[in-house]
Amino acid sequence: GESVGLHLPTLSVQEGDNSIINCAYSNSASDYFIWYKQESGKGPQFIIDIRSNMDKRQGQRVTVLLNKTVKHLSLQIAATQPGDSAVYFCAENIRAGSYQLTFGKGTKLSVIP
Amino acid sequence: DAGVTQSPTHLIKTRGQQVTLRCSPKSGHDTVSWYQQALGQGPQFIFQYYEEEERQRGNFPDRFSGHQFPNYSSELNVNALLLGDSALYLCASSRNRVDTEAFFGQGTRLTVV
Repeated sequence: GESVGLHLPTLSVQEGDNSIINCAYSNSASDYFIWYKQESGKGPQFIIDIRSNMDKRQGQRVTVLLNKTVKHLSLQIAATQPGDSAVYFCAENIRAGSYQLTFGKGTKLSVIP
Repeated sequence: DAGVTQSPTHLIKTRGQQVTLRCSPKSGHDTVSWYQQALGQGPQFIFQYYEEEERQRGNFPDRFSGHQFPNYSSELNVNALLLGDSALYLCASSRNRVDTEAFFGQGTRLTVV
């Protein structure tokens, strides 16, 4: 089965609201996690990453939370904008130093103007 | 600075044919990974090249092969194409043994008819 999965396939939010996208992983040996954004017809775009020795990491309008106890990862987007509409993937690096990524199926975020 | 570039962007092939996809990594990157992304799914790791050798391989048959050149660019070859090989093929570049973000190209959309 898949090592990384997502709880919700679609998410609709009002412009200006905060978005939370969730991800579950099963490989306890993974030490590095990344969130990617993929717009239609484009390749995945790096958003933010976090290492397994951290619980939280913040970027510009985005925050990633890692709960190793329950093997859960989340991406929070503050003040969601129409340009945030895309499919979001979490990925885990299953081999340290190798950058061999395992992706989940993705969550489609739709922002309602 | 050009990012990861892939060619061609779209390709249509007939079952049983062979195809070659190309990737030029981001400047300063020496490792190239290939992913297959079926419609509505997350990318799946095919293999990774470093120092002109295949270093890691995902769960893909031997019909999928690759090559890396001295300038770090890479090719993905698929023989005896099947309808199920229709997908978006993504190339990602990174620096070997450096767990930082991998940059993805825009992908090659392969359609097998």
